[in-house]
Formats: sequence, C-alpha cells, structure tokens
Amino acid sequence: GEDVEQSLFLSVREGDSSVINCTYTDSSSTYLYWYKQEPGAGLQLLTYIFSNMDMKQDQRLTVLLNKKDKHLSLRIADTQTGDSAIYFCAVTGGYQKVTFGTGTKLQVIP
Amino acid sequence: NAGVTQTPKFQVLKTGQSMTLQCAQDMNHEYMSWYRQDPGMGLRLIHYSVGAGITDQGEVPNGYNVSRSTTEDFPLRLLSAAPSQTSVYFCASSFGQGEAFFGQGTRLTVV
Repeated sequence: GEDVEQSLFLSVREGDSSVINCTYTDSSSTYLYWYKQEPGAGLQLLTYIFSNMDMKQDQRLTVLLNKKDKHLSLRIADTQTGDSAIYFCAVTGGYQKVTFGTGTKLQVIP
Repeated sequence: NAGVTQTPKFQVLKTGQSMTLQCAQDMNHEYMSWYRQDPGMGLRLIHYSVGAGITDQGEVPNGYNVSRSTTEDFPLRLLSAAPSQTSVYFCASSFGQGEAFFGQGTRLTVV
C-alpha cells in the first residue's frame, strides 16, 4: 500500500521560514494535502495540490510537488508562534482512500 | 451545519469491556472513516465506508467493528477493549477525494 513519510519534529525561530517535507510511494496519487492539527483538536485542511501542478501559493504557504522524486513540501513564510502545531501530509491512492504521514511537529521559538 | 460530531470526547474503559464510539456528519458525504492517532505513528486507518451499507477494513481493523446503516452515521465498536487500544480516535468524512472533515476526537484509555 501507500507509504507516506515525514520527519517527526522541526524547530524554527519566529519570523524565519519553515519547510516541512513529505515523501510518498504511490506515483498515481492525484490529490496531495497538508493538514494542520492544533493541540486537543482534530485535523483541518490547510492547503492541497493536484498532481498535475508543480507549485501552489496561498498567502504565506507555498506547496512544492516533485512528482519524479515523489516529494511534497510545505513552506511557511514568516513563521509565527500561532503556526506551532502538527502538520500532516496526506495523499490519495485508490478509490477515495487517503493515507496520512506520521505528522511533523512544528515548534516556533519566540 | 455541525460538520462531523464525535461522542464521547473522553472515555475510560476496563480491559474486556465493550463500547461504541459515535460519529455523525450532516454534510451528506458518502465517504466516512475512522482513524487512530498514536504518538509518532500518524493517523492509521481502522475502517472506512464509501456509502450506506458498504464498509471495508483499513490498516488496523482488528478488535474493531463498524456498520453504516445510514449516510449520516458511522459508529465504531470496540468488542473487548485492550490496553493496546488506548489512543485518540478520529472520525472523518469527505465527498469523493476532496477535503476530509474531522471530528474533534475521542481520547480513550483502557486500564
């Protein structure tokens, strides 16, 4: 089945850029998502990209997709303390099945 | 529009007890799923359903049952609780391969 990998932890200083990386195995994945989970809450969709795109920008968020290397990244510009959360990469494989990564805990140091 | 509602938010069970985690959505989504979240392991799919009357196993189905008699409801049953089932459980729903909407989670402790 699909395998989605992320590093577990990232620490950045407030105001710096954060880059969270994700690798996946299924080259037929059509939708690729980034979800954010704040403490004690469920996951909320942050942004997504279709597999026929290389890049998507949404305010402070930039998603890059390298299909050849099966690599997805999320860049958060001017990271704020409110960005501290766990970020999950998720990819679609078979019919409506979504596989989530292990999550990356982002710690923003004031 | 409530979205996805999970109950209860917290539960403590003794080993061997059974219980049902409730999940309801009011968005007419065809796809619903249950995940468990454990530290360092991300979200693992337990069971999912692509429509009323249709369910299938995910990655970690053992010890859990589901049914989908209506589009709105997708309960998860623990047959005989074990300490290994201590986790945070999330229900999610979506339409097709679109955005998944998550409930707030149920924190379950089995002692």
